[in-house]
Formats: sequence, C-alpha cells, structure tokens
Amino acid sequence: SQQGEEDPQALSIQEGENATMNCSYKTSINNLQWYRQNSGRGLVHLILIRSNEREKHSGRLRVTLDTSKKSSSLLITASRAADTASYFCATDNTDKLIFGTGTRLQVFP
Amino acid sequence: SAVISQKPSRDICQRGTSLTIQCQVDSQVTMMFWYRQQPGQSLTLIATANQGSEATYESGFVIDKFPISRPNLTFSTLTVSNMSPEDSSIYLCSVDKGSSTEAFFGQGTRLTVV
Repeated sequence: SQQGEEDPQALSIQEGENATMNCSYKTSINNLQWYRQNSGRGLVHLILIRSNEREKHSGRLRVTLDTSKKSSSLLITASRAADTASYFCATDNTDKLIFGTGTRLQVFP
Repeated sequence: SAVISQKPSRDICQRGTSLTIQCQVDSQVTMMFWYRQQPGQSLTLIATANQGSEATYESGFVIDKFPISRPNLTFSTLTVSNMSPEDSSIYLCSVDKGSSTEAFFGQGTRLTVV
C-alpha cells in the first residue's frame, strides 16, 4: 500500500497545550496536505505545503516538510476543545490524494 | 471553493441489496473522486470519475461492485451493489479545482449493512 503512516494514532492533551502529529510517506510528491475530520463527517482542508517548501503557517497551525526524509509534521498551538477531531495527511503526486492513517486528537477542557 | 451536497447522509440496508449515493457540486469540475472509510480507518480511494468516460478504479475495487455514473460536470453517483456487512463504511465524494490544489469533500454517507 502507498498509504502514509501517521503517529501517534491517538493523542490526548489539555486545552492550551500544543499538539504535534507526524506523517511519513513513501513516494515522491507534488505537495502534502493536512485535513481535519469531525466525528466521521466530511474532511476539511487545513493547509497545503508544496514539495519545494519547508515550513508553512496558518493561524495556530504550523506545518513542516522534509522531502529527504519523506516526512511532515503538523503542530497545533494553544489547543482548544474544539480542535478535537481526526487529522489526516494526504500526499498528491499523480492527481489523486493518498491519505495517511490519521491521528485522533482529544483536547480536554 | 466548492460546495458538495451528498445524499443520503446515512442509510441502513439489507444484505444483498444495492444503494446509490449521489454527489452534487455547485460548480463544474473535471474529476470527481469516491472514497471509502471503514470504521476507525483512513480514506481509501475507490475510483476517479471523469465526465464522458468510464471511471478509473483503484486496485481492489471493481466496476461490478461499485458502478459509477458521471453524466455531467456537476454530478456523480456511486452504487454499492449486492451489499454485505463488510461494506458498512462511510462513503465520501470529493472534488478539486485543478491539479495540486486542495480537495473539497461531501459530508459523507454512513452506510450500515445488516
């Protein structure tokens, strides 16, 4: 399978703490994207980082990409209870997205 | 952006029957994608649907089991045929606005086969 791997599988933190999720993939990519899914609903796009970029910020989100290690990380700073969701990385190299295994984040108030 | 209306949102079906899921987009798109998400798992691409041609299926998925229609640039259907309990999953449709851009998703169809 070309599916990416994410770790941790599950993460529980307190509000205000930072959450870091990691994604590893297997093939060359055009870009890597992060998505959020609430309770088995549709996915919402969070951020896209292109293969020639190393770091990108969007609000409380920070994404890094290391193409030499085929890995990416998503950092959510100052987490909130509303950040509770599943987070997926997805790689794009042939006009289709391949999703990682996902991280279930639980933020306790 | 794109707004996707997917229906039904959920259904409970008897084994051996078929269910057709509809996906309507508020703008014209070239490619539409159908995914399956088994309980507690990630998304797996079933097929890519292009208007005017047969869908392209991923390894492990076949047209007889998951026939897809794409009659125009804003609409697609996925049928789950001859269902068994193993087909119980969330099915999602998705579009993008071009290569290497973000994808937009419908709210998903939660299917339970009994």
